Amino acid sequence: GNSVTQMEGPVTLSEEAFLTINCTYTATGYPSLFWYVQYPGEGLQLLLKATKADDKGSNKGFEATYRKETTSFHLEKGSVQVSDSAVYFCALKGNTPLVFGKGTRLSVIA
Amino acid sequence: DAGITQSPRHKVTETGTPVTLRCHQTENHRYMYWYRQDPGHGLRLIHYSYGVKDTDKGEVSDGYSVSRSKTEDFLLTLESATSSQTSVYFCAISAVWDGGEGQPQHFGDGTRLSIL
Repeated sequence: GNSVTQMEGPVTLSEEAFLTINCTYTATGYPSLFWYVQYPGEGLQLLLKATKADDKGSNKGFEATYRKETTSFHLEKGSVQVSDSAVYFCALKGNTPLVFGKGTRLSVIA
Repeated sequence: DAGITQSPRHKVTETGTPVTLRCHQTENHRYMYWYRQDPGHGLRLIHYSYGVKDTDKGEVSDGYSVSRSKTEDFLLTLESATSSQTSVYFCAISAVWDGGEGQPQHFGDGTRLSIL
């Protein structure tokens, strides 16, 4: 079945540091891939998405590239801010409902 | 923001009591979902609906039932709540099923349920 594996946290970074959160997936067919973000006390918000191989999703300085050859969709940001502190979820959707990774908590300190 | 309202937002109840959570949408989306979020598990699908009166089980459906009598409402019921069902519950909606179109699911703000 479809599954998503993302790096375990928590991840703690200083402001302006480079961020990478790894995500790999297993799926049949050609799923769409998503990153969602959850700020404290809130629901999940879509951060970015990609629908086919080599697509790059980007939003708010975050980006991720759909790599079919490595079945990966790693999230990156060049310079994180304190306001980026949140839990990040990688997810995929194909012919089944959305499947999530377990989430990675990011804390950014000033 | 997608028009999704979950109620109640917080609830504390006792083991063995019935509990119903409500999800209401104003987007007229066909698909609705219930997830639970627990530390170390991420979000896991409980049940989903693909139309009025059409529902199916997800990964962790034991102990839960759902109903959808109108497009806009999707109810999650715990017939006899247990402490293992203490969790944060999220409703989600989507316009289409096929993820190939990249259509995302939109989430409500969650219901924090504590069962003592």
